Amino acid sequence: QVHLQESGPGLVRPSETLSLTCSFSGDFMSTYYCSWVRQAPGKALEWIGHAYYSGNTDYNPSLKSRVTISVDTAKNQFSLELTSVTAADTAVYYCARGIVGSTRYYYYMDVWGKGTTVTVSS
Amino acid sequence: DIQMTQSPSSLSASVGDRVTITCRASQSVTSWLAWYQQKPGKAPKLLIYKASILESGVPSRFSGSGSRTEFTLTISDLQPDDFATYFCQLYTSFGQGTKLEMK
Repeated sequence: QVHLQESGPGLVRPSETLSLTCSFSGDFMSTYYCSWVRQAPGKALEWIGHAYYSGNTDYNPSLKSRVTISVDTAKNQFSLELTSVTAADTAVYYCARGIVGSTRYYYYMDVWGKGTTVTVSS
Repeated sequence: DIQMTQSPSSLSASVGDRVTITCRASQSVTSWLAWYQQKPGKAPKLLIYKASILESGVPSRFSGSGSRTEFTLTISDLQPDDFATYFCQLYTSFGQGTKLEMK
């Protein structure tokens, strides 16, 4: 059974970098995408991006200039970095296992972490 | 980019009712639409993928249908545990959510 757990600071200062880690156990790596999704208070889910274990990445165009997702297979972890944060980045951040296939739109998330709340404030 | 329009944004119903939630895509794509249930303070839970395939362990009162640009989630015989917010997702776009409340 796959288990995902987010970790990282709950408070980040404006203009600084948000860094989160997702630790996983169970069947994850070789055929899945390491995905990050966030949800601002009272708002809808927003896809941040994903990374494949090989290092290939894809990011939300609205965040692309500020986001890096990387995978550490040796540690069974993947991470999210979001630079130059503002109050608009305050949200619950989820990591998830992305199921992908051979066609372009074949993508959904079947296992999610519990989420971690990040507040951007001075 | 694909935009997903979900309706209604909120819905009141009673135990035993049948409810339908709709998602419309801004362009016609394949049927790789997923539906999630989210309860307050919890992570989303996958209910349905590829428009109509029920995720393992999800009760059969949940069903999905649709293709191209219009998709629906139907919950038959609503149970108390079903009152939650529901999101659709197509590729990297999510709908705005439908909050299902008890009447």
